[in-house]
Amino acid sequence: GEQVEQLPSILRVQEGSSASINCTYENSASNYFPWYKQEPGENPKLIIDIRSNMERKQTQGLIVLLDKKAKRFSLHITDTQPGDSAMYFCAAEGEGYKLTFGTGTSLLVDP
Amino acid sequence: EAAVTQSPRNKVTVTGGNVTLSCRQTNSHNYMYWYRQDTGHGLRLIHYSYGAGNLQIGDVPDGYKATRTTQEDFFLLLELASPSQTSLYFCASSETGGNYAEQFFGPGTRLTVL
Repeated sequence: GEQVEQLPSILRVQEGSSASINCTYENSASNYFPWYKQEPGENPKLIIDIRSNMERKQTQGLIVLLDKKAKRFSLHITDTQPGDSAMYFCAAEGEGYKLTFGTGTSLLVDP
Repeated sequence: EAAVTQSPRNKVTVTGGNVTLSCRQTNSHNYMYWYRQDTGHGLRLIHYSYGAGNLQIGDVPDGYKATRTTQEDFFLLLELASPSQTSLYFCASSETGGNYAEQFFGPGTRLTVL
């Protein structure tokens, strides 16, 4: 099955700076890459996604980049705020339309 | 927004115990999923279903059974619970299984097996 590696596992940044999370996948047939945010004690929620026919997508301070050749995708949060502190999961959709999630990144934004 | 509810929210059982986790979604979604979340492992798919009476095997199915009785209801069964099944369990639903469908997660069930 698909394997998704996510780094770093812990990320601490200052308010106003940017934060970057990187993921790699194995299955070249994967064609959809969503990102989910999970706030403490809450359930995961979709924040942005990118399809395999795109290289870049941006929405509300979030940028996702996809490099299909390298089988790598990344999330960049610009101008981080304390409210961005949460767990972030990348995922890749592959065989059987299943999502395989990364192991998560705990982001802490210091005020 | 899709509404996915889970019960119970917390459950404590003993090794060898029998546990049923329930999930209901009220947005007529076809696909439903059971995940477990563990530190260092992220979210791992246990079982999923694309309709009443259907069951598909996920990535970590050992020790779990599941049943989809209606379009709304999806159950996860642990017939001989073990401490390794102590985890946070999430149910999710999506309109389709592919086509870049967003998954909507329930609030989670925290299960402790003593």
